[in-house]
Amino acid sequence: AQKVTQAQTEISVVEKEDVTLDCVYETRDTTYYLFWYKQPPSGELVFLIRRNSFDEQNEISGRYSWNFQKSTSSFNFTITASQVVDSAVYFCALGNRDDKIIFGKGTRLHILP
Amino acid sequence: EPEVTQTPSHQVTQMGQEVILRCVPISNHLYFYWYRQILGQKVEFLVSFYNNEISEKSEIFDDQFSVERPDGSNFTLKIRSTKLEDSAMYFCASGEWQYFGPGTRLTVT
Repeated sequence: AQKVTQAQTEISVVEKEDVTLDCVYETRDTTYYLFWYKQPPSGELVFLIRRNSFDEQNEISGRYSWNFQKSTSSFNFTITASQVVDSAVYFCALGNRDDKIIFGKGTRLHILP
Repeated sequence: EPEVTQTPSHQVTQMGQEVILRCVPISNHLYFYWYRQILGQKVEFLVSFYNNEISEKSEIFDDQFSVERPDGSNFTLKIRSTKLEDSAMYFCASGEWQYFGPGTRLTVT
């Protein structure tokens, strides 16, 4: 069975601190994709990244970076120099092309001014 | 950039009433999905739709739910007789990589 675990339910950090959101997944598929979404208070799901299981290179996009480690089935997300606008719920998810996406329970991130 | 739209953004209905949630997927996409998110919880898969038929459904998607693509553009989710526990955000997604719409918040009173 496929499963995504986000052990951190809620995190609070002070603005400008770095913060890492953890994600561990389970799947028997050899090919799969990992996702991160941001859900601000307005409720929409904002796509952040999709990563192929064959591509273990770390990804950096501005203040955001992702660390994919197949050996530990983890796909962690780091925000550098956090800002108040980063406050949201962040979901890690697992899926495949043309197939349903399995979401984790989410991590609620509070960035305190 | 094309995007998925959903209407209404918020629907309030009484228990037992039928509701239809509408989605306009991205025009050349062939795969469509509905997901549900009860307030404060995770996003859950309901159903996938391809080639004018359901390709997969979850255990949540019981006989009270139905989907259709009535006119080649809209993709609808119907709940026949709403219950209080159907109150949630419903997301439509379009395409092989699942571009999500903004969601419809359904409140059942």
